[in-house]
Amino acid sequence: ELKVEQNPLFLSMQEGKNYTIYCNYSTTSDRLYWYRQDPGKSLESLFVLLSNGAVKQEGRLMASLDTKARLSTLHITAAVHDLSATYFCAVDMLNTNAGKSTFGDGTTLTVKP
Amino acid sequence: KAGVTQTPRYLIKTRGQQVTLSCSPISGHRSVSWYQQTPGQGLQFLFEYFSETQRNKGNFPGRFSGRQFSNSRSEMNVSTLELGDSALYLCASSSGTSGYEQYFGPGTRLTVT
Repeated sequence: ELKVEQNPLFLSMQEGKNYTIYCNYSTTSDRLYWYRQDPGKSLESLFVLLSNGAVKQEGRLMASLDTKARLSTLHITAAVHDLSATYFCAVDMLNTNAGKSTFGDGTTLTVKP
Repeated sequence: KAGVTQTPRYLIKTRGQQVTLSCSPISGHRSVSWYQQTPGQGLQFLFEYFSETQRNKGNFPGRFSGRQFSNSRSEMNVSTLELGDSALYLCASSSGTSGYEQYFGPGTRLTVT
């Protein structure tokens, strides 16, 4: 059974600071996703990582994937209040069709002025 | 391109009743996945349909069922509702054959009283 663990689950940051959210998963996979969810809203796709060593960046967020360590990171640079949200990583098992993702518990990020 | 739509957006039902939720995927997408989100259990995969066939199934009781029509629209049905079925039900669409990104709808908030 695939398990996905995120840490930390709650993160309070000062504006302008950097931090990293970690996502570990238990079985071999080559597809990892990061999503953002605002309170009361649906999930917004941030990144899709498909190979070992993949790195993607969008604005102040950068995601990376190490399939050998079964680890992905979401790095936040110079946080701003607009980044306050819950961030989920999700993983698909190797050699499965897309559409059946296992999600982590989410990291609730609060950025304070 | 229109996004994923879900109807209804909010629903209140009584324990023991049944409910049907609807999801219309992005035009051209043939895969629809359903997820349940609750504060206690997080985001859990229910099932995935591709070209009118259930391709993947999560660990939910048989009270949860779904189907997909020839136009790729999907419905999920929950029979004999329980209080614990109160949740945000999200559907996601993807091409199902190339690329792996899933696009989530706004969700249906189901409250069982």
